[in-house]
Amino acid sequence: NAGVTQTPKFQVLKTGQSMTLQCAQDMNHEYMSWYRQDPGMGLRLIHYSVGAGITDQGEVPNGYNVSRSTTEDFPLRLLSAAPSQTSVYFCASRPMGQGARGYTFGSGTRLTVV
Amino acid sequence: TQLLEQSPQFLSIQEGENLTVYCNSSSVFSSLQWYRQEPGEGPVLLVTVVTGGEVKKLKRLTFQFGDARKDSSLHITAAQPGDTGLYLCAASNAGNMLTFGGGTRLMVKP
Repeated sequence: NAGVTQTPKFQVLKTGQSMTLQCAQDMNHEYMSWYRQDPGMGLRLIHYSVGAGITDQGEVPNGYNVSRSTTEDFPLRLLSAAPSQTSVYFCASRPMGQGARGYTFGSGTRLTVV
Repeated sequence: TQLLEQSPQFLSIQEGENLTVYCNSSSVFSSLQWYRQEPGEGPVLLVTVVTGGEVKKLKRLTFQFGDARKDSSLHITAAQPGDTGLYLCAASNAGNMLTFGGGTRLMVKP
């Protein structure tokens, strides 16, 4: 089925470790974004991209890196994991210029940093 | 401080009751969306409203965008257990950033 695929589903890291959360979409959407969801905080935007080779910071970008080499993939990198990065991470995409159509979200990655 | 304030944060009701969830802001938005999220899944879009005063209906759900485009409400008539979930409002301006409210967690008891 077409949509947004996130891997892994669950991950436990030790403080200081690095890892990459994967996100892929097969809908040819130009816009992709990463959110984190914490209890009582809703979803907060980490980074977003409006197309291959173009990325920008969201509300909470510190501690995270992104790159966009293809339209399909938008990985999120944690360079040195911290307990404050324990959260559920969601990737979302939409066609550019069609914000009213809403975003398609992946099913999330639950990350625990110990 | 969140740009979008949702109320109530939690709501537990009996099947068949009506309820209203509110999403308020001091900012004007070009569009506002409502999403529903179930445990272990990402949010799923319910509706987008773009015109001040706009009312949209989706079966037993009625969505309204305030005249000044600063607030919105979601009304559910005759709630069912299948309506249980986290309801999120989200808004955007002309840019590429979508801002979410803190969510309303709804539980409908049979």
